[in-house]
Amino acid sequence: GAVVSQHPSWVICKSGTSVKIECRSLDFQATTMFWYRQFPKQSLMLMATSNEGSKATYEQGVEKDKFLINHASLTLSTLTVTSAHPEDSSFYICSFGSGYEQYFGPGTRLTVT
Amino acid sequence: AQTVTQSQPEMSVQEAETVTLSCTYDTSENNYYLFWYKQPPSRQMILVIRQEAYKQQNATENRFSVNFQKAAKSFSLKISDSQLGDTAMYFCAFMKHVTGANSKLTFGKGITLSVRP
Repeated sequence: GAVVSQHPSWVICKSGTSVKIECRSLDFQATTMFWYRQFPKQSLMLMATSNEGSKATYEQGVEKDKFLINHASLTLSTLTVTSAHPEDSSFYICSFGSGYEQYFGPGTRLTVT
Repeated sequence: AQTVTQSQPEMSVQEAETVTLSCTYDTSENNYYLFWYKQPPSRQMILVIRQEAYKQQNATENRFSVNFQKAAKSFSLKISDSQLGDTAMYFCAFMKHVTGANSKLTFGKGITLSVRP
């Protein structure tokens, strides 16, 4: 199957700072990226959908100015959490979409202190 | 809008036994896909099985099979010969078919499955 990497796998940052999460596909190209957020023992919540070269479409209730998504190429997307607060602490998962397939990254655990 | 319901938060099964995980969904779409994903403690999402709504035959992948009842909007997962490595959270998910585009997944709340030795 397709391989997707996320970096970093775990990050701790101080409140008020920004943190960037990188999602990269290693062996395929896809035009559509999805970013999810997951709290412990809960389901994945879709945050936004982005197509390469276009602005991301955010789900209702997700602040687009806080969660900046850049989909620069068919193999790379980044999520930047700006001015992070403790309530932003969560597990963030990316996936590349290709038809009915979605290839998930291993996730990034963000802890904001 | 689509909804996916997994009403059982937790289940437990003895190793080598069979267990069925329930899922119902609601949609007005006629062309769609249904999935079961596994999320082990590593938290990597793993596709278990996929069902195309236009196919009447239930999908099967080794020890995993589904019971797809389109009229009832039910999509259950049966795990046969349960193994310790099956211990994970399982998510039922729905995807609308969109020609020429990549559609998003709608997930259920998930069920935590524990396999007892």
